[in-house]
Amino acid sequence: AQKITQTQPGMFVQEKEAVTLDCTYDTSDPSYGLFWYKQPSSGEMIFLIYQGSYDQQNATEGRYSLNFQKARKSANLVISASQLGDSAMYFCAMREGIFSGTYKYIFGTGTRLKVLA
Amino acid sequence: NAGVTQTPKFRILKIGQSMTLQCTQDMNHNYMYWYRQDPGMGLKLIYYSVGAGITDKGEVPNGYNVSRSTTEDFPLRLELAAPSQTSVYFCASSYQGAGVTLDNEKLFFGSGTQLSVL
Repeated sequence: AQKITQTQPGMFVQEKEAVTLDCTYDTSDPSYGLFWYKQPSSGEMIFLIYQGSYDQQNATEGRYSLNFQKARKSANLVISASQLGDSAMYFCAMREGIFSGTYKYIFGTGTRLKVLA
Repeated sequence: NAGVTQTPKFRILKIGQSMTLQCTQDMNHNYMYWYRQDPGMGLKLIYYSVGAGITDKGEVPNGYNVSRSTTEDFPLRLELAAPSQTSVYFCASSYQGAGVTLDNEKLFFGSGTQLSVL
């Protein structure tokens, strides 16, 4: 069963508008971490934001916020005031393995975001 | 502050050739990972290591081997290259220690190796 699901292969957003990228996850670990990474056309992986499973508040990093709904097992990324430089591939990822003691990071298939001028 | 360094950045192999992708990190991270990313797809875990001398398989280990003789280095070996191994390979590292903090959670990536097998 897929553990990280990103159902939006591609998204368009108008410059300066907000956009939400969806991510759902599945794990039986009581403690896990959720991440979003950005991959621009140059190919590098850029860390954006992190949410721990026990964190009470949604994580924020500048224009990025993570809408964490634990009961629904969702961790959507919200980008406010989109900029042309936000055009990239975005990956949701989860760190699990606290029970086994071996930490592994699992990635979704990604969402390609295009910001329109 | 080098972080995670991968070499080479690009490589073309012929079917049946072998090669080693190098990965080194200078952050004293205990965990290291190898991922592959096929065109337009997400990252799939090939192998990982929880410390020097300890390695384990990920989702797609067939056709690859790894070793971890030091904390810093985690090379990935392709023994008999096949066209199905054409991909971008990322090495990554993290520090797993006591407590759940961003420093203990964040995955640091190398810049990737683009490999074509023809």
